[in-house]
Amino acid sequence: ETGVTQTPRHLVMGMTNKKSLKCEQHLGHNAMYWYKQSAKKPLELMFVYSLEERVENNSVPSRFSPECPNSSHLFLHLHTLQPEDSALYLCASSQVRGRYHAYEQYFGPGTRLTVT
Amino acid sequence: SQQGEEDPQALSIQEGENATMNCSYKTSINNLQWYRQNSGRGLVHLILIRSNEREKHSGRLRVTLDTSKKSSSLLITASRAADTASYFCATFHYGGSQGNLIFGKGTKLSVKP
Repeated sequence: ETGVTQTPRHLVMGMTNKKSLKCEQHLGHNAMYWYKQSAKKPLELMFVYSLEERVENNSVPSRFSPECPNSSHLFLHLHTLQPEDSALYLCASSQVRGRYHAYEQYFGPGTRLTVT
Repeated sequence: SQQGEEDPQALSIQEGENATMNCSYKTSINNLQWYRQNSGRGLVHLILIRSNEREKHSGRLRVTLDTSKKSSSLLITASRAADTASYFCATFHYGGSQGNLIFGKGTKLSVKP
């Protein structure tokens, strides 16, 4: 496998379910990201893991919980989601120099999440 | 916010024509990047232009940056049906948004064969 992979590609879940999204990067990068993409809205940065440090967007509800066990893997744990959480969830990675994420990011294909 | 705003929101052209998309932003930046996204897929990085650069080329892509006007343009020459996608600009500013990229809403390009 090359690049950034995400599983599953599609997920339908009820509001009471617990599920996890998985992302794996094969590029040797040291930073990984979760983004949410909703129709007609800019890409929203949810979480960043860089050099083993988590940077969190304060506006992300606690029903989203990230986990980064190592520099190649990133998870997004989901529980008691709302219908408005339905969106395309994108994972990305990049090579960070220092604390700034200035350079190109490499994206996975995304997980299309539908909350019913 | 230093979020980039793409213009137009949607663009429809014939194959072989040139496509121009614009991006405006509000605060000074260190670099600006353009990405492409095919329908329902991840974004693909196209080109990065630094604040001290005015123009960059990559194949059929030409990007310009005017820091005095806080704007950038992406030109795709001799477009092909395969260029149909959404195009996003992303800005980076040291000290802004926890040092992360900020993406715009994108321009949806449709190239008709």
